[in-house]
Amino acid sequence: QKEVEQNSGPLSVPEGAIASLNCTYSDRVSQSFFWYRQYSGKSPELIMSIYSNGDKEDGRFTAQLNKASQYVSLLIRDSQPSDSATYLCAVPSLQNNTNAGKSTFGDGTTLTVKP
Amino acid sequence: DTEVTQTPKHLVMGMTNKKSLKCEQHMGHRAMYWYKQKAKKPPELMFVYSYEKLSINESVPSRFSPECPNSSLLNLHLHALQPEDSALYLCASSPLRGGTYNEQFFGPGTRLTVL
Repeated sequence: QKEVEQNSGPLSVPEGAIASLNCTYSDRVSQSFFWYRQYSGKSPELIMSIYSNGDKEDGRFTAQLNKASQYVSLLIRDSQPSDSATYLCAVPSLQNNTNAGKSTFGDGTTLTVKP
Repeated sequence: DTEVTQTPKHLVMGMTNKKSLKCEQHMGHRAMYWYKQKAKKPPELMFVYSYEKLSINESVPSRFSPECPNSSLLNLHLHALQPEDSALYLCASSPLRGGTYNEQFFGPGTRLTVL
């Protein structure tokens, strides 16, 4: 089992719809979770971080965390063509209960929003 | 200043050349990273510096040599590279709060081609 798994995609949604991106992780003691957006040919850009169970909203983006199920998701409401990108889930690794400075990235889910 | 800058943007080099990639951040972050990214793959960690000391080397071949001259600068020295080393090289930085590594901010990357 991979340490961080994302839906393989690609994911295609119509403009205005809700896009749902999922990520599961294997390390039960993981404490922080990050979503990055990467446009084709560009570098990853941090869009959301979440540390506590529940929902965290930022504009059209909502991150959801369920530590018991080891699951983190990103919802994009009112999807726009400009949201078309690859979304990467990242989970920092822990060694001896401290962050070792290494984040494991999922393979990414490519989202296409069709006008 | 909330940016990580990288130079050059593009680099073409022969297998016998020596070149360097440079990265700079002025956010006061004390962790800096080098990643390698191939097309349609997630970033692959190469090195982590914490407080200007090398803390993680992901078994990277010695033809890649990192250097952290001060808390704002990170270099990657390249020598005798192979064509398979062609990739997007990303620098990132993150704050260290409470001894924990946090969200990473990526530079725009250097597109490296080895002939």
